[in-house]
Amino acid sequence: ETGVTQTPRHLVMGMTNKKSLKCEQHLGHNAMYWYKQSAKKPLELMFVYNFKEQTENNSVPSRFSPECPNSSHLFLHLHTLQPEDSALYLCASSQDIAGAGEQYFGPGTRLTVT
Amino acid sequence: DQQVKQNSPSLSVQEGRISILNCDYTNSMFDYFLWYKKYPAEGPTFLISISSIKDKNEDGRFTVFLNKSAKHLSLHIVPSQPGDSAVYFCAAEGAQKLVFGQGTRLTINP
Repeated sequence: ETGVTQTPRHLVMGMTNKKSLKCEQHLGHNAMYWYKQSAKKPLELMFVYNFKEQTENNSVPSRFSPECPNSSHLFLHLHTLQPEDSALYLCASSQDIAGAGEQYFGPGTRLTVT
Repeated sequence: DQQVKQNSPSLSVQEGRISILNCDYTNSMFDYFLWYKKYPAEGPTFLISISSIKDKNEDGRFTVFLNKSAKHLSLHIVPSQPGDSAVYFCAAEGAQKLVFGQGTRLTINP
């Protein structure tokens, strides 16, 4: 247990569906991140939030919409996804973005888009 | 263009021997480097790190070496144990972001 939980662990959705991924951290951290890991590719940073404010959007398509209601919770809202969006989506947190090095990851959500 | 590269997708080592995982980077602005370990169905967990002002950091069986002139770092695990079998990711920090390599799958054989 890293102190970062993600739900659901697995998700299968059609291209016309709308779904949300949830992340919660119990570490008292101020920064939260969404990453995408596709097969045989490096982890790709998607979004960064620091004290609930988005500080980074790494050119992510608008069909991915993040939400950070407070420093402990992070959501990723999904709509009209494409099959190539199938991947492992990882949430992470760190004390703050200045110390971005040591990030704590959740177990990920395995997303399959059909 | 990939700024952090792990050119070996997999590595197999006998139990008790040394495991050496390698990582190369291209951006000289990176100032902090980390290794993460990932088991199946779990997220990556932090293993060890090194600042760019050092060339070596040791923590128990794990040692990370940094060669800034070559833009290369390596992770040494000695002695290797079966529980070390996992995917290892190298990461570099710059501009308050982490950039990850593709990972190397390490298998420790009994």
